[in-house]
Amino acid sequence: GAVVSQHPSRVICKSGTSVKIECRSLDFQATTMFWYRQFPKQSLMLMATSNEGSKATYEQGVEKDKFLINHASLTLSTLTVTSAHPEDSSFYICSAPVPPHNEQFFGPGTRLTVL
Amino acid sequence: AQKITQTQPGMFVQEKEAVTLDCTYDTSDQSYGLFWYKQPSSGEMIFLIYQGSYDEQNATEGRYSLNFQKARKSANLVISASQLGDSAMYFCAMREGGNFNKFYFGSGTKLNVKP
Repeated sequence: GAVVSQHPSRVICKSGTSVKIECRSLDFQATTMFWYRQFPKQSLMLMATSNEGSKATYEQGVEKDKFLINHASLTLSTLTVTSAHPEDSSFYICSAPVPPHNEQFFGPGTRLTVL
Repeated sequence: AQKITQTQPGMFVQEKEAVTLDCTYDTSDQSYGLFWYKQPSSGEMIFLIYQGSYDEQNATEGRYSLNFQKARKSANLVISASQLGDSAMYFCAMREGGNFNKFYFGSGTKLNVKP
């Protein structure tokens, strides 16, 4: 099956710093990727749709200046959490749709802890 | 209204028995896709099975089958011959319309397989 990698898998940072998370499609090209956030024992919450060559589409209530998304190439999307605060601590997970049914294949996720 | 409803927060099943995880959906689109994912405690999201709205046959993938009842708008996951490694969270998801559209996820069902 298709492989999506995500880096780093775990990050601990101080409040006020920025954290960049990378999402790569390893064996296929992805013009679209999705970024989710998941709190413990809850479902995935879609944050934004990342589009190669154009601006990301953010879901209602997600601050675009807080969560910067850049889809730099057909295999890489990045999420930067700017000026992170403890309430940004969460599990962030990306995905990319894969033909023929465009089921989403997910990266392994990044656990962010902001102290 | 909720797009995807999973009414079972937790389920128990005896090893080697079959179990059904419920999922109902709400859409007015004629074209949509239904998906099931497994999320073990490690956090990764594993794609299990896909059912297209126009598919007349129920989807099957190994021990997984999807009981698709279009008129009732249900897409239940059946796991046969449960194994201890099946213990995980299971999420039902739907994509409406276009192939690169976002997914709607249910709240999940925690399955525990007892030895």
